Amino acid sequence: GAGVSQSPSNKVTEKGKDVELRCDPISGHTALYWYRQSLGQGLEFLIYFQGNSAPDKSGLPSDRFSAERTGGSVSTLTIQRTQQEDSAVYLCASSLGVITDTQYFGPGTRLTVL
Amino acid sequence: GQQVMQIPQYQHVQEGEDFTTYCNSSTTLSNIQWYKQRPGGHPVFLIQLVKSGEVKKQKRLTFQFGEAKKNSSLHITATQTTDVGTYFCAGRNFGNEKLTFGTGTRLTIIP
Repeated sequence: GAGVSQSPSNKVTEKGKDVELRCDPISGHTALYWYRQSLGQGLEFLIYFQGNSAPDKSGLPSDRFSAERTGGSVSTLTIQRTQQEDSAVYLCASSLGVITDTQYFGPGTRLTVL
Repeated sequence: GQQVMQIPQYQHVQEGEDFTTYCNSSTTLSNIQWYKQRPGGHPVFLIQLVKSGEVKKQKRLTFQFGEAKKNSSLHITATQTTDVGTYFCAGRNFGNEKLTFGTGTRLTIIP
């Protein structure tokens, strides 16, 4: 079956521009997570959704970052006024439930801010 | 907040040697998961441990969850070139849905 998909796979943007990153979770998965991974580093939690609500936004680095999820499916991560330090791979994961379920990761979006 | 540390950060081994990575949490965990990320790839789930002192095996991989549920380890016997990648542990606190990933251990194999 189809896994988690993310688009675009690569995004190069200029400092100060806004970007939108999209995540399509596995059908039927109620939980959706966004992570950021800088080159050679671990995974930094950004936000997670249970259905359309986001109980935990604690990982968002600044108010330039926002995310939404509609219809309990697709999610969009928006970064406004991008900065060079935003350059990283943004990974999305989904799981059937939350507490003990496996997270299935998408291939990621590599964001480069010039 | 919860912190999950892994050691070592890097490990280079000769093919056929054993490899172990250790994961330590600052808080007691409800469960812990292990993921593998191949170079250029995304994390892929390996296993989940829930019970205190639990040990699980997958072929050459042995996973342990400490008695206090604050630490875990992954041991690979007789490494192969296909084992190359970064191994992450990820832990959950009780009542908290967020999965906190460890810092990862990058394994490279010398043929």
